[in-house]
Amino acid sequence: QTVVTQEPSLTVSPGGTVTLTCASSTGAVTSGYYPNWFQQKPGQAPRTLIYSTNNKHSWTPARFSGSLLGGKAALTLSGVQPEDEAEYYCLLYYGANWEFGGGTKLTVL
Amino acid sequence: EVQLVESGGGLVQWGGSLRLSCAASGFTFRSYYMHWVRQGIGKGLEWVSGVGTVGDTFYPGSVKDRFTISRDNAKNTLYLQINSLRAEDTAVYYCGRGTTAAPGTDYWGQGTLVTVSS
Repeated sequence: QTVVTQEPSLTVSPGGTVTLTCASSTGAVTSGYYPNWFQQKPGQAPRTLIYSTNNKHSWTPARFSGSLLGGKAALTLSGVQPEDEAEYYCLLYYGANWEFGGGTKLTVL
Repeated sequence: EVQLVESGGGLVQWGGSLRLSCAASGFTFRSYYMHWVRQGIGKGLEWVSGVGTVGDTFYPGSVKDRFTISRDNAKNTLYLQINSLRAEDTAVYYCGRGTTAAPGTDYWGQGTLVTVSS
């Protein structure tokens, strides 16, 4: 049983920088896991922010960036805005199937 | 404009079956990998199936024997058949589009709620 682990919760001040991470129970996360990052606000559908480690969609704000960091996938928010308060999920590719992390609740305070 | 609209959810009895649909528009449906993802009430996201452009299907072990994903490229519609419904299948089901450049996701529908009653 593959487990993808994220920080359960993080708090950041407006204008600050925060990094969310995504680890795999199978070992180091590499580009071959094609990490995706999602933002979900209460009552809304998930929205993909980042795909394939560090690729942004047209709707992804510039302050969001994806990377690999210390054997994990990472999502960094620079210059956090109040509207960034949300749940964030990572999704990793395991050759045929995909697995979500448990999500990180980001509080902007 | 890319649109994905799920339907077919509702209240169903334990042990019953249900087919969810996802109507796609605004893009060449047959050229894209498609996903189904679900979210239990107050819970996280769970990937439950995917289908490739040639109809190849993928499932996690937790649903493999009860879920069937399919696509009708002529109708631009994605389906998810769920059999032997259990309480833990109660969730909002979302369909999503895969990216073409590399494995990934982009657009998602608004979801359809499935409630399994005993």
